[in-house]
Amino acid sequence: GAVVSQHPSWVICKSGTSVKIECRSLDFQATTMFWYRQFPKQSLMLMATSNEGSKATYEQGVEKDKFLINHASLTLSTLTVTSAHPEDSSFYICSARAAGGPYEQYFGPGTRLTVT
Amino acid sequence: AQSVTQLDSQVPVFEEAPVELRCNYSSSVSVYLFWYVQYPNQGLQLLLKYLSGSTLVKGINGFEAEFNKSQTSFHLRKPSVHISDTAEYFCAVIPRVGFKTIFGAGTRLFVKA
Repeated sequence: GAVVSQHPSWVICKSGTSVKIECRSLDFQATTMFWYRQFPKQSLMLMATSNEGSKATYEQGVEKDKFLINHASLTLSTLTVTSAHPEDSSFYICSARAAGGPYEQYFGPGTRLTVT
Repeated sequence: AQSVTQLDSQVPVFEEAPVELRCNYSSSVSVYLFWYVQYPNQGLQLLLKYLSGSTLVKGINGFEAEFNKSQTSFHLRKPSVHISDTAEYFCAVIPRVGFKTIFGAGTRLFVKA
């Protein structure tokens, strides 16, 4: 089946530093990838949608200069949290939709970010 | 615009009992419907989906859901739950003319021994 991986699964970083999270579709090509943020006991909040080779589309209220998204290939998208602050601590989940395939999204296992 | 309402934030149930997790949606256009499950500290896994055809959809782990267009509902059911079914369940819709998934707030299913 379609598998999406994320790396790292958890990361701790100091306030003011940047951290990069990778999202890979392992056995299919993903023309569209999504990045979500999830707070404890809450639903997923869509941050941005990225299409391979083009700029990401950010949701209202999401700072594009803080959350840099790059979708460099059909199997890789990255989210970089720049100048991280403790309030950026969260669970970040990516998902991917296959090119021309079914409508469901395949989700990565998530990345737990803790900013100290 | 679309919205998804999961009517119960938490559902406690005893092992081997039946369970129904309720989901209603609102949309001015036709939608595709999905149920996902999330185990602690993990991503989401697709349980089942309704795209077209038969309104009764069977998914993994013994779950099924029924699409009711007149009531705009897509309730998830399982006749006999296990401890391992304890998780967060999300109902979601995608408009047929769009691609953005709209998630409900989630329902925490807690199966007790």
